[in-house]
Parts: sequence; structure tokens; C-alpha cells
Amino acid sequence: AQSVAQPEDQVNVAEGNPLTVKCTYSVSGNPYLFWYVQYPNRGLQFLLKYITGDNLVKGSYGFEAEFNKSQTSFHLKKPSALVSDSALYFCAVRPDFTGGGNKLTFGTGTQLKVEL
Amino acid sequence: GAVVSQHPSRVICKSGTSVKIECRSLDFQATTMFWYRQFPKKSLMLMATSNEGSKATYEQGVEKDKFLINHASLTLSTLTVTSAHPEDSSFYICSARGGLALYEQYFGPGTRLTVT
Repeated sequence: AQSVAQPEDQVNVAEGNPLTVKCTYSVSGNPYLFWYVQYPNRGLQFLLKYITGDNLVKGSYGFEAEFNKSQTSFHLKKPSALVSDSALYFCAVRPDFTGGGNKLTFGTGTQLKVEL
Repeated sequence: GAVVSQHPSRVICKSGTSVKIECRSLDFQATTMFWYRQFPKKSLMLMATSNEGSKATYEQGVEKDKFLINHASLTLSTLTVTSAHPEDSSFYICSARGGLALYEQYFGPGTRLTVT
């Protein structure tokens, strides 16, 4: 069974500072990894994905994430946080065709709060 | 980019009545649609997966007679909550995959259902 762990319920960071939101995963086969962001009472917005290739993937709004196979991690990062980045962030994983399955499994979410 | 819409965004219904939520992919053909339920400050729980023209596949513990899903076309899926009860009150989010997006899912803005 696949699973995603986001160990931090909340991350606080000052505007202008770098931010990291952690994610580790477990999946059969090779992983397809995703980050989504959710603003209050809204659906999820796609930020970025890792499918194959370069371990560092760049996404929307200046976010990036690094796939680390040995540590089974896919942490989300941004060099300089903005107050408008404050939202709920979800990491998700889906196995590739070798792992079977069609379902996206989400972590429990991390609330990011960026303060002035 | 790929856009998924949901209607209505909010609905209040009386206990015992049924309510239908529509999910549309606006600029791509969604071969697969997913319905999720999200409780406050919680992750998304997959309810069912549907492929166009086929019966939906429900997750364990989800009552298929209570949550009727129809995926009649490549751009429309509906979720009908039948004989709603207050415990069905939740945020329902649909998601679609298809078109040129081989891997990522695009999410609708969600529907807030309140059963009184």
C-alpha cells in the first residue's frame, strides 16, 4: 500500500526567508510525486510534479522540490517566502505502471504560515 | 491550463433530501474523474473513481447507493448525495485526469455541503 507522510502540521517562516515543507513517501514501483496547494474553501492547485529525470523539479510561484530516492523524500522548497504563500500544502504520490494502481494518495497536509 | 469547475460551490439542504454536484472539465477531455471528501483540517479522502461510460469504482467504506456517481461524458461527472444526513456535511472536491495531462490530476474548486 502506498502512503505519504507530512510530519509537520504547521510551518512558520518569516517573509523573505527560505521555506521547506517536508514529505516522505512509500510506494511500490517508481513513484510519481506531486505537490498541491489549497487556499481556504478552495480546491487544490497543482504546483509541481516529479515523474522521471532531473531530481530537482521547478514549479509554479517559485516553488521547487527535490526527489531523493534513497531517503524516499520529496521536500517542497522556496528560496524566499511571501505572505501570499500562506496556505495548506499537500504532498501526493502515485505508483508508476510497474507499481500498478491509479490512485493518488495524499499526505495529511502542512499549513504554511508566512509572517511579516 | 486545465480547468475543472464544480457547481454549486455551496449548497444547504434539509435532512432526507438529495443533492447533486456537477464536475466539468472545461478545456480537456477527462477520461478519469475522481471524487474526494475533505473534513476540516484533514486530508482528502478518495470516495470513488470513474471512467467515462463505466460504473464508478468506490473505495472501501463508501456507500455506493448513497453517493451516486455518473460519468456520462468526457467532460461531465456528477455526484448525487441521496437521503442526505447531517453527517454528510463536508467539502466535496472532484478531480479529473486526461487530455495532454498524462500524470497530474486537476482539481475543482470544491462544493461545501451543509445538511440541516
